[in-house]
Amino acid sequence: DAGITQSPRHKVTETGTPVTLRCHQTENHRYMYWYRQDPGHGLRLIHYSYGVKDTDKGEVSDGYSVSRSKTEDFLLTLESATSSQTSVYFCAISPQGPYNEQFFGPGTRLTVL
Amino acid sequence: SQQGEEDPQALSIQEGENATMNCSYKTSINNLQWYRQNSGRGLVHLILIRSNEREKHSGRLRVTLDTSKKSSSLLITASRAADTASYFCATPDNTDKLIFGTGTRLQVFP
Repeated sequence: DAGITQSPRHKVTETGTPVTLRCHQTENHRYMYWYRQDPGHGLRLIHYSYGVKDTDKGEVSDGYSVSRSKTEDFLLTLESATSSQTSVYFCAISPQGPYNEQFFGPGTRLTVL
Repeated sequence: SQQGEEDPQALSIQEGENATMNCSYKTSINNLQWYRQNSGRGLVHLILIRSNEREKHSGRLRVTLDTSKKSSSLLITASRAADTASYFCATPDNTDKLIFGTGTRLQVFP
């Protein structure tokens, strides 16, 4: 998985609670991404980052925020989880920058009850 | 907004047969990428073909790109049970982000 870890790997939570997912990379690449994967929708971009404190919204950013205070960590926060946010979340890095190949973490399966 | 769409959605073949899956996209691109995803795992990059390339090979994989038809195909030759996975195409949009299709589920029977 190209030195990318995600934690936790599985989480069950209740509607209305805050949840933070962590993506950690070991190689200090600038470009990092958060996606969600749902049946029938493929992968959809939530947020991305081009460096420390440089983040921006993707296609499905409503209800999510991110932070990147260190190059190696990219955090995804669900401020108040809803059942529609039940999904599998993937973090990815792009060592050669936008347009180019991405390497994915193992994913976090989140269930919001 | 969905840039790439794979076809077929699902494909079942026997070991040893070839598997072909297609991807169509909507706007001009500078590259097109194919990824594989095994069940319960993250996506793995397979191959990147640039807009000025027409064909690219990697082992048993052959990718073609037809920019006039805005389409690409991925051919897996002499398939194996281990090739069972979902396959996705991805293309950059006009803001540099990759847009993934919904994938083709390939089942290879021993």
